[in-house]
Amino acid sequence: GAVVSQHPSRVICKSGTSVKIECRSLDFQATTMFWYRQFPKQSLMLMATSNEGSKATYEQGVEKDKFLINHASLTLSTLTVTSAHPEDSSFYICSARHRGARNSPLHFGNGTRLTVT
Amino acid sequence: AQSVTQLGSHVSVSEGALVLLRCNYSSSVPPYLFWYVQYPNQGLQLLLKYTSAATLVKGINGFEAEFKKSETSFHLTKPSAHMSDAAEYFCAGINFGNEKLTFGTGTRLTIIP
Repeated sequence: GAVVSQHPSRVICKSGTSVKIECRSLDFQATTMFWYRQFPKQSLMLMATSNEGSKATYEQGVEKDKFLINHASLTLSTLTVTSAHPEDSSFYICSARHRGARNSPLHFGNGTRLTVT
Repeated sequence: AQSVTQLGSHVSVSEGALVLLRCNYSSSVPPYLFWYVQYPNQGLQLLLKYTSAATLVKGINGFEAEFKKSETSFHLTKPSAHMSDAAEYFCAGINFGNEKLTFGTGTRLTIIP
């Protein structure tokens, strides 16, 4: 089945530094990838939609200058948390959909646990 | 916009008992609906999907769900719970033409030995 690889799975960083998270579709092309954030014992909240070759679309309340998204190819999207603060500590999950299949299921990465100290 | 509601943030069942996790959707247009499972510190795995074909959908690990338009429901069931079913389950929906997937708040399933 379709596989989405997310790296790293865990990262601990100091406050004020930046962290990059990668999301790769391993066996399919994804023109659109999605980034979610999940707080403990809560559901997934969509942060932004990453579009290959164009700017990401951010959900209301998400700071685009803080959460930089780049989707440079059909198989890779990156989320960079800039100037991280402890309140950015969370579980970040990416997902991707097959190119040209708008309503097919999303395939999810295994998530990245970010801890900002 | 499509929204889904999961009733019961926690459900506990005995091993071997019936599992029933509830999900209701709100949309005037029948949506595409999905059930995902999440194990601790992992991403989401698709259990099953409804895309306006058969109303009874069979998924992996013995799970199935029935789309009932009259009740706007898409409840997840499994006849006999197994210890390995303990996890967080999310119902999600998407409207035709809209790529954004909306998640329910999740239901944590605990299996009692």
